[in-house]
Amino acid sequence: QVQLQESGPGLVKPSQTLSLTCTVSGDPITSGGNYWGWIRHLPEKGLEWLGYIYFNGKTYYNPSLKSRVTLSVDISENQFSLKVTSVTVADTAVYYCARGPLQLWKIWGPGKPVVVSS
Amino acid sequence: EVVLTQSPGTLSLSPGDRATLSCRASQSLVNYLAWYQKKPGQPPRLLISGASSRATGIPDRFSGSGSGTDFNLTISRLEPDDFAVYYCQQYGSSSFTFGPGTTVDV
Repeated sequence: QVQLQESGPGLVKPSQTLSLTCTVSGDPITSGGNYWGWIRHLPEKGLEWLGYIYFNGKTYYNPSLKSRVTLSVDISENQFSLKVTSVTVADTAVYYCARGPLQLWKIWGPGKPVVVSS
Repeated sequence: EVVLTQSPGTLSLSPGDRATLSCRASQSLVNYLAWYQKKPGQPPRLLISGASSRATGIPDRFSGSGSGTDFNLTISRLEPDDFAVYYCQQYGSSSFTFGPGTTVDV
């Protein structure tokens, strides 16, 4: 049974970099056909995707966030990571990692609340 | 970018009622449309993909229909566990988007 778990700081100061890691258990991150994504739930605003990555490192970013978002994958640790630079209070959200074929997100982590505040 | 519009914003119903949620796209999606259920404190749950295919373990009271630009999610008889926010999502190209959501409440 595949499980995903987000980890990282829950409080980030404005203008700093938000960094989260998703640890995958129960299946190698190299399993074929799967994309590994980051999606956030903004308060009162709904769901927004940040980006997704294939195990070979190929990345896809939301055009509206592309300049601030970087995804990476660590096959040896069975993890993938998210960095968002120059955060503001508008980046306060619950951040989810997810797995899917195509962009159908079938398996999700429980979510990591992140607050941007000084 | 494909823009998704969901209506109504809020649907106030009672257990046992039938719920019909709408999702309209700014351009044709063929059938690359999914529906998710979101409850507070939980991650989204995939309900429907390909506009009408239920995901594994989803009860048959949930059904999806439509193609092109107009899609519906129908919950035939609402159960107490179904009161939540429902999002549509378009996919099939490298970029994807979510709709703003429909809240189904009592």
